[in-house]
Amino acid sequence: DGGITQSPKYLFRKEGQNVTLSCEQNLNHDAMYWYRQDPGQGLRLIYYSHIVNDFQKGDIAEGYSVSREKKESFPLTVTSAQKNPTAFYLCASSLMTSGGVVNEQFFGPGTRLTVL
Amino acid sequence: RKEVEQDPGPFNVPEGATVAFNCTYSNSASQSFFWYRQDCRKEPKLLMSVYSSGNEDGRFTAQLNRASQYISLLIRDSKLSDSATYLCVVTLKYSSASKIIFGSGTRLSIRP
Repeated sequence: DGGITQSPKYLFRKEGQNVTLSCEQNLNHDAMYWYRQDPGQGLRLIYYSHIVNDFQKGDIAEGYSVSREKKESFPLTVTSAQKNPTAFYLCASSLMTSGGVVNEQFFGPGTRLTVL
Repeated sequence: RKEVEQDPGPFNVPEGATVAFNCTYSNSASQSFFWYRQDCRKEPKLLMSVYSSGNEDGRFTAQLNRASQYISLLIRDSKLSDSATYLCVVTLKYSSASKIIFGSGTRLSIRP
């Protein structure tokens, strides 16, 4: 089955620790994204990548880092510099049209990160 | 001004009612439009794309008005299972990049 997987589903970390969230897709999508969602709020873009070995900051990149070494994988590291990391993290992917326009996104099931 | 704006709701309507949401976007160069549905504590899922000619999928109808820069979603004969947050999504193409923008969502609650 094609899709996007995120792991783990729930993650607990102590303050001051870095943690890496996994995102894998087998849809052969070019573009991948990371969003953060706080309770009762909308999605906020952290980082995105439209091509392997290239990624761009979104609206709230501070305290986060990513890599895109493979088309299928786009891991997100939440560093100790992120002041309020407890949130629901969603990974998404999409095709790009031949004209370079982002198409509709497909989301993974998300990771709930809680900092203790 | 936000690039994509939605009434946050909540809309609380009885089962069987017809309900409509609007979403406005600020950039006239917006290219593609979508409605997503997000259930509580779940990921957003694509509900339908929105085409210039309008499109219908069962009880759901989406329309685009480029002149007034808004899209709409109409739900007829609403079911309890329609209770969710509905997200309006717009894509843009700049000179060297493309962007996808999510609205903050409209909460819908269907009561028995």
